[in-house]
Amino acid sequence: GNSVTQMEGPVTLSEEAFLTINCTYTATGYPSLFWYVQYPGEGLQLLLKATKADDKGSNKGFEATYRKETTSFHLEKGSVQVSDSAVYFCALPARNTGFQKLVFGTGTRLLVSP
Amino acid sequence: KAGVTQTPRYLIKTRGQQVTLSCSPISGHRSVSWYQQTPGQGLQFLFEYFSETQRNKGNFPGRFSGRQFSNSRSEMNVSTLELGDSALYLCASSLAGLAGGYSLYFGPGTRLLVL
Repeated sequence: GNSVTQMEGPVTLSEEAFLTINCTYTATGYPSLFWYVQYPGEGLQLLLKATKADDKGSNKGFEATYRKETTSFHLEKGSVQVSDSAVYFCALPARNTGFQKLVFGTGTRLLVSP
Repeated sequence: KAGVTQTPRYLIKTRGQQVTLSCSPISGHRSVSWYQQTPGQGLQFLFEYFSETQRNKGNFPGRFSGRQFSNSRSEMNVSTLELGDSALYLCASSLAGLAGGYSLYFGPGTRLLVL
């Protein structure tokens, strides 16, 4: 089945710094790719997604580009805020079928200090 | 539109007991999935229901079961609780039909503590 690997955390940044969280995937074909975010004490929120190669997903200043050449979907933000402190998960479907099962990375904790 | 709701938000049980968790999906969503989140194992898929049928099941023992009702609301049940069942249980809903469509929308979770 498909799988995803994301960088270990925590990532510690100062406010207004540039953020990159690496995510690489192994998949058959070109499945949709997702980033989810989990704030303390909450469930997961869909942050952005890309449905095909070379697509760029974006939301709330975050961006990620679906790169089939490098099988990557790195999350970036130009200027982080304290409120961005959370755990970020990269995900993709377990198989390229109609199954509604996502495989998640281990999560990367982001800590942003003022 | 209201999001995914889960009840209760917190539960404390003792070993050997059973527990039922409830999930109400976003209106119009017919697929409901359940995930277990623990610090050691991360996010693990439990099962998925679509139109009252279980379509997919993860690698969990038979003590974990679920069902979906005609209004798409779902419940999951864990019998004979073990200490290792302590976790955050997340429900997610989706518009997906058989053709797919994988954006999952998660509820806030039910935090279960087994003593």
